[in-house]
Amino acid sequence: GENVEQHPSTLSVQEGDSAVIKCTYSDSASNYFPWYKQELGKRPQLIIDIRSNVGEKKDQRIAVTLNKTAKHFSLHITETQPEDSAVYFCAATLLRDSNYQLIWGAGTKLIIKP
Amino acid sequence: DVKVTQSSRYLVKRTGEKVFLECVQDMDHENMFWYRQDPGLGLRLIYFSYDVKMKEKGDIPEGYSVSREKKERFSLILESASTNQTSMYLCASRGRVDEQYFGPGTRLTVT
Repeated sequence: GENVEQHPSTLSVQEGDSAVIKCTYSDSASNYFPWYKQELGKRPQLIIDIRSNVGEKKDQRIAVTLNKTAKHFSLHITETQPEDSAVYFCAATLLRDSNYQLIWGAGTKLIIKP
Repeated sequence: DVKVTQSSRYLVKRTGEKVFLECVQDMDHENMFWYRQDPGLGLRLIYFSYDVKMKEKGDIPEGYSVSREKKERFSLILESASTNQTSMYLCASRGRVDEQYFGPGTRLTVT
């Protein structure tokens, strides 16, 4: 079936360095790719998303890039801070029986070392 | 501000019990979802609903059922709880735009 693979499962970076999380998807019809952040004990929340007609989107220290040909997209966090520590999930849309849902990656635990 | 609430944050049930998890959203969203979250497996879709009284199976519906009698409320039912259903359960809703809004989660332990 359709799936989304996310790597790495754990990422540890020094505070101030950049972090990159990568996802690949299998459904070529996917057209919406959100990233959610889940802090410890809290609910997942949308931090940035990108649509298939755009190659890159940036919001302050966070950016997402999309390569439709290769079917992969990445989250980039620059100048990492302690509050960036969380689990990050990528997702891609899947159209099923005229209703669309999200297929989720397994998550990346990002650890920011002081 | 969208609010999605779940009936319990923590729940402990015995094997074989019938369990009800309730989710309520206050934004008149058409779409609602139930996920379970397990370490290393991400978010797996159990059931979703795109309208009142409508439901669709997700990827792991076995052992679960759902009910949506009112637009704002989506219930997940474990007919006969088993230990392998010990997990974090997350409800979400989505309106006309794409963002899914999550509830705080229910950590269910089945003993």
